Amino acid sequence: DQQVKQNSPSLSVQEGRISILNCDYTNSMFDYFLWYKKYPAEGPTFLISISSIKDKNEDGRFTVFLNKSAKHLSLHIVPSQPGDSAVYFCAASDKGGNTGKLIFGQGTTLQVKP
Amino acid sequence: DGGITQSPKYLFRKEGQNVTLSCEQNLNHDAMYWYRQDPGQGLRLIYYSQIVNDFQKGDIAEGYSVSREKKESFPLTVTSAQKNPTAFYLCASSMAGGGRTEAFFGQGTRLTVV
Repeated sequence: DQQVKQNSPSLSVQEGRISILNCDYTNSMFDYFLWYKKYPAEGPTFLISISSIKDKNEDGRFTVFLNKSAKHLSLHIVPSQPGDSAVYFCAASDKGGNTGKLIFGQGTTLQVKP
Repeated sequence: DGGITQSPKYLFRKEGQNVTLSCEQNLNHDAMYWYRQDPGQGLRLIYYSQIVNDFQKGDIAEGYSVSREKKESFPLTVTSAQKNPTAFYLCASSMAGGGRTEAFFGQGTRLTVV
């Protein structure tokens, strides 16, 4: 049972435009959500997170939106740059973060074209 | 520099052999995790440990074993019982509890069965 889903395996956008990556979850106990960026043959690096008490968190070009009623979150990258090309993973933490266990989605490969 | 180190980066194993992947962290994190990445399947949790001398199975623990004798170290053994061990293995660590569960990842070990 996939509790965190990224239904778009890939996304291609033009440099300077907005990239929107989506993530859905099924477990209503999740209360902390994270986005990671991953290059091939490397470990994921943390990008941005959001607690369930918020509906938006912004950090530079990256903004994460959370819609709890729809169990949906999205990552916006504006403006997109070629260096943003990577695999993006959505992750969720269960049990209020007391275990720290992260459940990951399948990932979305973003390609930003110059 | 604080961080999490996995070794080796590449590992080749003959069928029927056990092999151990190393993971060391100097971040003073209580929690450590092992994930496996296969193409198109995201990161799947193998084992995790919240404290020394204690660990729990993740979603795909069969054919794997771990130990947590020291806070800094969380080695993963891939046994001959693991039917499809060729994959990219990622180790991570995080602070336990507190609600902020950002995990830091190592650079990964690519295991290939020959």
